[in-house]
Amino acid sequence: GESVGLHLPTLSVQEGDNSIINCAYSNSASDYFIWYKQESGKGPQFIIDIRSNMDKRQGQRVTVLLNKTVKHLSLQIAATQPGDSAVYFCADKTGANNLFFGTGTRLTVIP
Amino acid sequence: GAGVSQSPRYKVAKRGQDVALRCDPISGHVSLFWYQQALGQGPEFLTYFQNEAQLDKSGLPSDRFFAERPEGSVSTLKIQRTQQEDSAVYLCASSLVIYNEQFFGPGTRLTVL
Repeated sequence: GESVGLHLPTLSVQEGDNSIINCAYSNSASDYFIWYKQESGKGPQFIIDIRSNMDKRQGQRVTVLLNKTVKHLSLQIAATQPGDSAVYFCADKTGANNLFFGTGTRLTVIP
Repeated sequence: GAGVSQSPRYKVAKRGQDVALRCDPISGHVSLFWYQQALGQGPEFLTYFQNEAQLDKSGLPSDRFFAERPEGSVSTLKIQRTQQEDSAVYLCASSLVIYNEQFFGPGTRLTVL
């Protein structure tokens, strides 16, 4: 079965608010985690990644938090914009080459 | 240069037909991956190449699925005797080296009638 999963399938936020998308994983050996954004009709687009020896990583308007104790990953998007509307996937890799993706959360930004 | 490209973008096949899906990775990328994405689901790993060598095909759902990358660049995913359950988006991704970021193509949407 999948090693990652998402708590909520949909999330709606007002434009300008912060968004938090959560993800749980089950494989304690996972050592690399990635967040992808997928817009309709397109392939997944890399957003940000984090290795298991870190608990936080920041990018432009995005922050990923990793809690290895409870096997939880989150993506925070600051000042959410309409262009952020998409499906967001977390994925993990356990030393192997391929990624294991969760089901995804659909983020809708309300103008 | 350009990103990962895939063709065709859409394919409709009658059940029992064979199909071939093409992936052009980013030039110079050593690693190439195929994923299957069912509607409303996350991508699922099918197979992986390093140059022309297929190093992992553990995700291929049946022996009707076959992938090749004979010259270490373009890859083809072939599905023989297609079934309705094969309907999905097939995504190709490439990375410069094995542990680097994977860049995805737009996918081929396969519909089997």
